[in-house]
Amino acid sequence: KNQVEQSPQSLIILEGKNCTLQCNYTVSPFSNLRWYKQDTGRGPVSLTIMTFSENTKSNGRYTATLDADTKQSSLHITASQLSDSASYICVVSRDNYGQNFVFGPGTRLSVLP
Amino acid sequence: DAGVTQSPTHLIKTRGQQVTLRCSPKSGHDTVSWYQQALGQGPQFIFQYYEEEERQRGNFPDRFSGHQFPNYSSELNVNALLLGDSALYLCASSLPDSRGGTGELFFGEGSRLTVL
Repeated sequence: KNQVEQSPQSLIILEGKNCTLQCNYTVSPFSNLRWYKQDTGRGPVSLTIMTFSENTKSNGRYTATLDADTKQSSLHITASQLSDSASYICVVSRDNYGQNFVFGPGTRLSVLP
Repeated sequence: DAGVTQSPTHLIKTRGQQVTLRCSPKSGHDTVSWYQQALGQGPQFIFQYYEEEERQRGNFPDRFSGHQFPNYSSELNVNALLLGDSALYLCASSLPDSRGGTGELFFGEGSRLTVL
């Protein structure tokens, strides 16, 4: 079954601290993996897109890693800010077309002052 | 440059009614995808429109239908509403990537539908 699991379900950290969110998937075939940030009540915003051959991709304070062999990805947030409070969703694409995007349930991150 | 816009932002309907949600894609984008996001869950793919045709469809009943207009804007129609249809409906626009597939998705803010 094509699934995307994320952990932890929720996370609370203090402003300025680092954190790492995990994504495990059983989706096959694999085309690419995407991380999105979704503020409460808003639409998701793309952070990174990684293909099979990419191990790491950064977007400012966000760094995503991908291990296609173990089917795991992580999103590392450095020097967290209050504005990082949001849900982070891992999305795995089975092919090149949007209909085969499998969304994870998301990790809810809260950054406290 | 306007991003993806959706309307209405919120609406309340009763069981059995019909609803139409609208989406204008990001300027220059020709592909529109619709997603349903229940509270606390990730989005679920409904269908995707390209060149005014439904290109692919997720696991949703025929009560869910859509349309894409020549200007690439799109509508999502849901008939015979059920309580379980209550969700945030997201529209995403995109361009083909270098391999002809779906490029980066740009989401709208969503339409929050409540069915009573």
